[in-house]
Amino acid sequence: DAKTTQPPSMDCAEGRAANLPCNHSTISGNEYVYWYRQIHSQGPQYIIHGLKNNETNEMASLIITEDRKSSTLILPHATLRDTAVYYCIVRGGYDYKLSFGAGTTVTVRA
Amino acid sequence: DTGVSQDPRHKITKRGQNVTFRCDPISEHNRLYWYRQTLGQGPEFLTYFQNEAQLEKSRLLSDRFSAERPKGSFSTLEIQRTEQGDSAMYLCASSSNREDGQPQHFGDGTRLSIL
Repeated sequence: DAKTTQPPSMDCAEGRAANLPCNHSTISGNEYVYWYRQIHSQGPQYIIHGLKNNETNEMASLIITEDRKSSTLILPHATLRDTAVYYCIVRGGYDYKLSFGAGTTVTVRA
Repeated sequence: DTGVSQDPRHKITKRGQNVTFRCDPISEHNRLYWYRQTLGQGPEFLTYFQNEAQLEKSRLLSDRFSAERPKGSFSTLEIQRTEQGDSAMYLCASSSNREDGQPQHFGDGTRLSIL
C-alpha cells in the first residue's frame, strides 16, 4: 500500500471549513483513498473514500487531485465534536488491511 | 444497521490469565478484521476472516493469540497467559465484498488492562 503524509496537527475555528491535506505520491491506479477519524476512547469512524473523482457525503467532501498524488478532506462547518485524530489511508480495493499512520490531530476551537 | 458491536468494553485482568473478546459484525458483512491499538499509536492489523476462513494473520499475532469465526458471523479473540505488553485496545471491523473498495466499519473496541 502507498504511504501517506499528513500534518501532525491542525487548529480550526468552530463554524469554519476545515481542510485536511494528505499526500500520497506513490499511489497506484487501483488504490483508493480512505479517511477515518478517531475520537478519544472510540473506534475509528469511517468518513469517506474515493478512487479518482471527488466525493461528498453527509459528513465531508473529498477532493482528489487529477494526478491522484494528494487529496483534501473538507469538513464544511466544523463543530467542537469534530475534534479528533484524522487518518488518511491508501489501500487497494480488495486488500484486506488498513495501515494507519500517525494521522492529523484536529482541534476545533470555539 | 446496528454497527459493529464488541464485548466487553473494558477488561482488567491479572498477568497470566486468559481473556476472550467477542465481536459481532454488521449483519450482511462477510469480512471481519481484528486490530490492536496501543496508547498514542494508530491501529495495527492483527487478522482477517472472510466468512469463517481466517485468511491472514499478522506477525503481531503470537502463539498466545487465537481468533475464530465459527459460523461466519460473530468472532472471538482469545489471549492466553496474558502479559503486560498485551495491554491495548482491541478493535474489530467488518466490511462487505459486494463491490470493490468497500470501507471497513469499526466497533468501539475492548480495552484490556493487565495488572
